[in-house]
Amino acid sequence: KQEVTQIPAALSVPEGENLVLNCSFTDSAIYNLQWFRQDPGKGLTSLLLIQSSQREQTSGRLNASLDKSSGRSTLYIAASQPGDSATYLCAVSEDSNYQLIWGAGTKLIIKP
Amino acid sequence: GAGVSQSPRYKVAKRGQDVALRCDPISGHVSLFWYQQALGQGPEFLTYFQNEAQLDKSGLPSDRFFAERPEGSVSTLKIQRTQQEDSAVYLCASSSGFGTEDGYTFGSGTRLTVV
Repeated sequence: KQEVTQIPAALSVPEGENLVLNCSFTDSAIYNLQWFRQDPGKGLTSLLLIQSSQREQTSGRLNASLDKSSGRSTLYIAASQPGDSATYLCAVSEDSNYQLIWGAGTKLIIKP
Repeated sequence: GAGVSQSPRYKVAKRGQDVALRCDPISGHVSLFWYQQALGQGPEFLTYFQNEAQLDKSGLPSDRFFAERPEGSVSTLKIQRTQQEDSAVYLCASSSGFGTEDGYTFGSGTRLTVV
């Protein structure tokens, strides 16, 4: 059974720092991997989607990498800002490709 | 509508009470999903609809949980005889396509507290 783990569970850094969030999964037979952002009281917002054949995706200050063989993904956030404070979740889909299997998230706090 | 709307935003139920949670997906979206998110955890899949057909209900935790989408638009998640372990945020998402790469739009969720 696929399991997704995110480390650390929480992270607090000063504004302006570059940071890396980690996601690992136990079964490398994934269809794709996504990173989401969750703000309190709001829904989940998709940030980046990486297909299993891809190595990385970039959007603005965000870069997500995927190493399928080792079961790992990282989300790199450059020049962090207080507005980046949120919980970041990664999720994988398998052959069925409609069901997402989620990590528990990393709660990120960017201190002004 | 502009987004996925869920109601109510908050629900407090006494143990044993029945509850109904509503999801209004984006108009025209064929796929609709329900997820359950316990405090401090990631969402857990409950069920999936393609139009009015419930194609997967393998994630429903017990027969007290029932979901429907009779006309292929609005969906209702019903929980009978609620128990304390049912306390969670229930998230609804819709998609214009059939696969995860088509992108999900999530609602803000319904926070259910069973006392």
